[in-house]
Amino acid sequence: AQSVSQHNHHVILSEAASLELGCNYSYGGTVNLFWYVQYPGQHLQLLLKYFSGDPLVKGIKGFEAEFIKSKFSFNLRKPSVQWSDTAEYFCAVSTLGFQKLVFGTGTRLLVSP
Amino acid sequence: NAGVTQTPKFQVLKTGQSMTLQCAQDMNHEYMSWYRQDPGMGLRLIHYSVGAGITDQGEVPNGYNVSRSTTEDFPLRLLSAAPSQTSVYFCASSYSGGAFFGQGTRLTVV
Repeated sequence: AQSVSQHNHHVILSEAASLELGCNYSYGGTVNLFWYVQYPGQHLQLLLKYFSGDPLVKGIKGFEAEFIKSKFSFNLRKPSVQWSDTAEYFCAVSTLGFQKLVFGTGTRLLVSP
Repeated sequence: NAGVTQTPKFQVLKTGQSMTLQCAQDMNHEYMSWYRQDPGMGLRLIHYSVGAGITDQGEVPNGYNVSRSTTEDFPLRLLSAAPSQTSVYFCASSYSGGAFFGQGTRLTVV
């Protein structure tokens, strides 16, 4: 069975700091990878996704993620965070041809102004 | 564009009561699912459906029932509510490019 690990449960940053959130998955086959964001009191929204091709994918709001197959990782990055990035971030994986998503436990990001 | 519509947004139940959480999507997606979100545990899959008439259990199915009579609707039934079912519930509608989530239902069982 697939599993997803997010090692940082809580991250606190100041505005303009750089962000990197870790995500590792366990599955030997081809996977689709996602990052979702949940702003306070809201539902999950898709930030970015990787299916194939260029392992560096760009998403909305200046976020990007890099797929490193040898490390089973899909880390999320942003060069300069803003107060409005305060949210919970979830990494998720699905296997090729299937739409069932397996989520990590999430990382709560607090950006102080 | 409605996307995924979930009702109600808030609900308080007494232990032993039953209720149905409604979920409807207008994107003609075959795959729909229900998750519960609990602090520190991420989203856990309760039940999912790959099309009308087809449902299957996810990671935490006990105490919940689903049916899929149409492509659009995927209701979640709590048979006899327990305090352990206090959670936030999300319905999702998926295609190969990802999932769209409803606004969530915050359920409290007292």
